[in-house]
Amino acid sequence: DQQVKQNSPSLSVQEGRISILNCDYTNSMFDYFLWYKKYPAEGPTFLISISSIKDKNEDGRFTVFLNKSAKHLSLHIVPSQPGDSAVYFCAASPTSGYALNFGKGTSLLVTP
Amino acid sequence: NAGVTQTPKFRILKIGQSMTLQCAQDMNHNYMYWYRQDPGMGLKLIYYSVGAGITDKGEVPNGYNVSRSTTEDFPLRLELAAPSQTSVYFCASSPQGGNTIYFGEGSWLTVV
Repeated sequence: DQQVKQNSPSLSVQEGRISILNCDYTNSMFDYFLWYKKYPAEGPTFLISISSIKDKNEDGRFTVFLNKSAKHLSLHIVPSQPGDSAVYFCAASPTSGYALNFGKGTSLLVTP
Repeated sequence: NAGVTQTPKFRILKIGQSMTLQCAQDMNHNYMYWYRQDPGMGLKLIYYSVGAGITDKGEVPNGYNVSRSTTEDFPLRLELAAPSQTSVYFCASSPQGGNTIYFGEGSWLTVV
């Protein structure tokens, strides 16, 4: 049973526009959420995180929004750049947990 | 700044062979993990360790074994390789559980 769900396998966005990647979770014990970015033939790299005491966290062009009542989070990339083309994984965990639970990923393509 | 180092990067195994994927981290992290990623799927936890001498099963442990004799090293042993173990394997570490984890670059394994 997938506790972290990314229902869009792929997304294509024009350079300069906003990319919005979505993630849903089912486990109400999750209180720490992360986004990872993965290029082909490389390991995932940490991008941004948010804890359940916040509803928004911003880091440069990347913003993560958390809606606890809907068990939904999203990653906004503004403006999108061709170098952002990668697979993005949503992950979640209880802070008392031992490991992260990952979604299946969304492949983002930013076109010039 | 090595971080998490995995070897080998690529390996082809015959059915029934055994091998060990090596993983080392130099960040003095207590927690270490092995994940596997199948095509179009998220990362699934195989085994994890909360410190030297302590290991535990994750979501998909069958066919694998681990040991943690030092803080730095966390090898993954595949016994009697099967085609279902064809995957990309990622080692990772974190300072504590339920927290940001840092991945190695991955080991691509094909069982034929």
